[in-house]
Amino acid sequence: KAGVTQTPRYLIKTRGQQVTLSCSPISGHRSVSWYQQTPGQGLQFLFEYFSETQRNKGNFPGRFSGRQFSNSRSEMNVSTLELGDSALYLCASSFVGAMNTGELFFGEGSRLTVL
Amino acid sequence: SQQGEEDPQALSIQEGENATMNCSYKTSINNLQWYRQNSGRGLVHLILIRSNEREKHSGRLRVTLDTSKKSSSLLITASRAADTASYFCATVPSGSARQLTFGSGTQLTVLP
Repeated sequence: KAGVTQTPRYLIKTRGQQVTLSCSPISGHRSVSWYQQTPGQGLQFLFEYFSETQRNKGNFPGRFSGRQFSNSRSEMNVSTLELGDSALYLCASSFVGAMNTGELFFGEGSRLTVL
Repeated sequence: SQQGEEDPQALSIQEGENATMNCSYKTSINNLQWYRQNSGRGLVHLILIRSNEREKHSGRLRVTLDTSKKSSSLLITASRAADTASYFCATVPSGSARQLTFGSGTQLTVLP
């Protein structure tokens, strides 16, 4: 089974721009979560999507948004980028159902640098 | 914000020694999980322990959970240089299915 795939792996943007990150979950996984990792704040939950609906949302401003498509692929968007948005953005997928083990499967991340 | 803290923040040991990392959290949980992250890479799930379990083993890993003290520990026995990584505990709060709250992590260095 292919793992969680995130694209792009690295990107550089300037302040004020917007960025879209993509995540393809493991086949059969319908839940996709996004996390931001920075040296100062650590790993922080952004949001979770299941069946194309946002189920949970972390404490981030409205500039951070996401969506999920019918094939479970997900995108997250950050608008009006700030220097503090520089981070590793991690996507994770999980199986939802009777055999749910509760674990998340993470992609390698998208490293965003805002200049 | 992070659920809790991990202790120590950094740990350096020799190959063959055991490594113990501790995690404290703040709220009632459904389960607690441990993840490993190699530098700049994604996280890899290691082990999950449910709130009604006290101890769990997986290969060289042993996890304990004390819900009365809101704490957990991860023991890696007979460590190898390849175990060098950051280790994070993550909690799933009661009533929350898939929203993980991560600790601050322990950077483990195993010297050959």
